[in-house]
Amino acid sequence: NAGVTQTPKFRVLKTGQSMTLLCAQDMNHEYMYWYRQDPGMGLRLIHYSVGEGTTAKGEVPDGYNVSRLKKQNFLLGLESAAPSQTSVYFCASSGGLNFYEQYFGPGTRLTVT
Amino acid sequence: AQSVAQPEDQVNVAEGNPLTVKCTYSVSGNPYLFWYVQYPNRGLQFLLKYITGDNLVKGSYGFEAEFNKSQTSFHLKKPSALVSDSALYFCAVSPSNDYKLSFGAGTTVTVRA
Repeated sequence: NAGVTQTPKFRVLKTGQSMTLLCAQDMNHEYMYWYRQDPGMGLRLIHYSVGEGTTAKGEVPDGYNVSRLKKQNFLLGLESAAPSQTSVYFCASSGGLNFYEQYFGPGTRLTVT
Repeated sequence: AQSVAQPEDQVNVAEGNPLTVKCTYSVSGNPYLFWYVQYPNRGLQFLLKYITGDNLVKGSYGFEAEFNKSQTSFHLKKPSALVSDSALYFCAVSPSNDYKLSFGAGTTVTVRA
């Protein structure tokens, strides 16, 4: 099992450009999450999903959109990147009886210039 | 809304000495509490959790944590630290009826040889 994978690992964008981050999990988990990690601020929840076709806003959703067309995939989109979105992005998933225990991907380091 | 405080940005200890990383929380109802570890350029790895039962929980790599309801704390401990324990540690909390985690800002642990 690969667990949770994220694509790409690194990306540099210019202000105003768009991109999509892909998260995939092979554990048949119902719940999936997108976080951003910034120094001194821990992880903050951007958006999450409780199942295929459903999404919801987290703590810091502005400037991001998400989609969950397939149970195993959770996409995070930036329509018009801003320097404030420079961060490390982590995807996580959870499910089953231990739905509260989250498994994390390796992260995507995004720089917006 | 729930929150987590990790009062120390950094903890420095000598190899072989006890290691403690502090965490206090605020949540409505019964808490689910977690510790995660992040090594450089990696995703978060689950260390241990408290859901119910014994206040002292044991986890991976020789770590343990003690749940103290009256002090709303969940400190992480290791009796004898190793250089390889040097990493960033996150405490997280969720209400017992929720799957979304709130993370602390993180504590950087440095163990010197």
